[in-house]
Amino acid sequence: LAKTTQPISMDSYEGQEVNITCSHNNIATNDYITWYQQFPSQGPRFIIQGYKTKVTNEVASLFIPADRKSSTLSLPRVSLSDTAVYYCLVGDGVGFQKLVFGTGTRLLVSP
Amino acid sequence: GAVVSQHPSRVICKSGTSVKIECRSLDFQATTMFWYRQFPKKSLMLMATSNEGSKATYEQGVEKDKFLINHASLTLSTLTVTSAHPEDSSFYICSARAGTFYEQYFGPGTRLTVT
Repeated sequence: LAKTTQPISMDSYEGQEVNITCSHNNIATNDYITWYQQFPSQGPRFIIQGYKTKVTNEVASLFIPADRKSSTLSLPRVSLSDTAVYYCLVGDGVGFQKLVFGTGTRLLVSP
Repeated sequence: GAVVSQHPSRVICKSGTSVKIECRSLDFQATTMFWYRQFPKKSLMLMATSNEGSKATYEQGVEKDKFLINHASLTLSTLTVTSAHPEDSSFYICSARAGTFYEQYFGPGTRLTVT
């Protein structure tokens, strides 16, 4: 399984754009990159998924360079409610059978 | 999006007893369900993968006789913690995957406290 590396924590202020980068040097050809958000005492929530280039939805954007060895989750204009842990995961390449969570990035948004 | 529920949300049990946690996919059929455990301020740890109608596959280090998993239907999986001990106290989270979807949908979690 491809291992991921993320910053342990990040701080931001309301209204700023936050970019969280994840390294996955051993990503396999069939692997997808997925980001989840988790609030305390809740299950993770799917944010966005991509394979290459750029993906955007109503919540975030995901930037993936050509070599796919890293990815960046971009949260536009964060609010206090975006304070959470963000996990970057890479599929195991076989129908994305199981997700292995890394340490995640603890984002703290302040007023 | 798809909804996964867990019951109970919180449970307190005495040491030595067993407790069952249910995970249901409410609006889709889950061919595969996963069980995770999460300790405070730590990441989720995958415990096992279960496919409907077959035996669960446990991750290394997870005792299959202690954590019994049953995936009897396409909408229900259960995790039974047998002979629970205080060190089993944790946040247990299930997730469900439907068919060829790449997304997994997570339940809200169950807080288990063993006294």
